Amino acid sequence: KQEVTQIPAALSVPEGENLVLNCSFTDSAIYNLQWFRQDPGKGLTSLLLIQSSQREQTSGRLNASLDKSSGRSTLYIAASQPGDSATYLCASYTGTASKLTFGTGTRLQVTL
Amino acid sequence: SAVISQKPSRDICQRGTSLTIQCQVDSQVTMMFWYRQQPGQSLTLIATANQGSEATYESGFVIDKFPISRPNLTFSTLTVSNMSPEDSSIYLCSVVRERGALINEQFFGPGTRLTVL
Repeated sequence: KQEVTQIPAALSVPEGENLVLNCSFTDSAIYNLQWFRQDPGKGLTSLLLIQSSQREQTSGRLNASLDKSSGRSTLYIAASQPGDSATYLCASYTGTASKLTFGTGTRLQVTL
Repeated sequence: SAVISQKPSRDICQRGTSLTIQCQVDSQVTMMFWYRQQPGQSLTLIATANQGSEATYESGFVIDKFPISRPNLTFSTLTVSNMSPEDSSIYLCSVVRERGALINEQFFGPGTRLTVL
C-alpha cells in the first residue's frame, strides 16, 4: 500500500526566501504525481502535475521535481510571498492512473 | 481545468440526521470521486461515483453510511447518513481531466464543511 509522507509538517519563513517542500512515497511504481495547495477550510487548487516520464515541471515561481527511483518529489517556491501561506499537499497516482494517494501535507507560513 | 461547485458550503447538523451534498461540474466528466478530510488530516478517498451504476467504495466506507448518486456526467451527490460527531469533516468532490494516455489530472470542488453536534 502506497504511503506518502511530507516533511516538514510545518514551516515558517520570512518573505522573499526560497524554500523546498519534500514529498516521499514508498511505492515507486507511480503513474504521475500532483501538487496541490489548500487554504484553510477550503478545497484544493492544483499547482503542478508531473508525469512519470518527466523529471520536473515549472509554473511561475513554482518548480516541482520527481525522482521515481528514490521515491521523492520536491516543490521549490522561489521568492516566497505572504500569499503563498497555505497547506501544500502532494499526491501520487498509484495502482491506477486516476486514483490519488495523498501526503500528510506541509503547512507553510510566510511572514512579512 | 474544471469549474466545480458544491452545496452546501457548510452545515451544522444534529446527531442521527442525514445530509446530502451536491457536486456540479461545468462540463461532462467520466470520473468523479468523493473524499473526506477529517480535522487536521489529509484527504481520504471515500468512493468513485460511477454514472449509471453503483459507486465503488474504498476499504472502510460502506454504501449504507455514504450513499452516492451519479445521475449524469456533470452531477453527483453524497449523503452522510445517521451522522455522529466523528463524521465532522470537510467533504470534497473531484473530477479527472484526461490529458493523455494514463495522464490524468484531478481538480477539486471547494468542499463542504460539516459539523455534527
